[in-house]
Amino acid sequence: DIVMTQTPLSLPVTPGEPASISCRSSQSLLDSDNGNTYLDWYLQKPGQSPQLLIYTLSYRASGVPDRFSGSGSGTDFTLNISRVEAEDVGLYYCMQRLDFPVTFGPGTKVDIK
Amino acid sequence: EVRLVESGGGLVKPGGSLRLSCAASGFAFNDYTMNWVRQAPGKGLEWVSSIGKSGYMYYADSGKGRFTISRDNAKNSLYLQMNSLRGEDTALYYCVRGAFDSWGQGTLVTVSS
Repeated sequence: DIVMTQTPLSLPVTPGEPASISCRSSQSLLDSDNGNTYLDWYLQKPGQSPQLLIYTLSYRASGVPDRFSGSGSGTDFTLNISRVEAEDVGLYYCMQRLDFPVTFGPGTKVDIK
Repeated sequence: EVRLVESGGGLVKPGGSLRLSCAASGFAFNDYTMNWVRQAPGKGLEWVSSIGKSGYMYYADSGKGRFTISRDNAKNSLYLQMNSLRGEDTALYYCVRGAFDSWGQGTLVTVSS
């Protein structure tokens, strides 16, 4: 199974400031057949279902503000928030879907300082 | 608008069974792989099972031999038959579309004597 790790697990942020979350996989998430990297990012706001932010490494999902961006390669990935807003608080998860079993990172809790 | 509505959760004794359902609307259900993901109280996300368009099924080790995923394309519905339930199966079960891009609100399964 592909193991996903995230750092930090807790991230106090200041509105208006940038923030970043790292995610690492135990093996490459690059599909050599098509060049896609199957790493996605989700935000679970308090009391809500997870919502897709970034798919296939760096593509923003529909309706996601452009302050969110995804980057990385191979086994190391980053979610960046250019300017945090109060509505961005919640749990952020990375997930790999290159192979079954699909696996998630442990989550990073983002809250306001 | 994509809509996924889960039902069938509840309180069940260890060793008991439940059948979860997910009613899908707003998209061509038969064109998508469908998934179940669960979240134990206060814990992270765990993939449970997936079923492809053609009906091919995948299971997490935690549910192999106990859970059966199925779909009825005529009814735009996804199911999860859960047998021999254990305390560790207690969780909110989400129905998730395709490449995990849309999530339902979840149905709560509690396994307790």
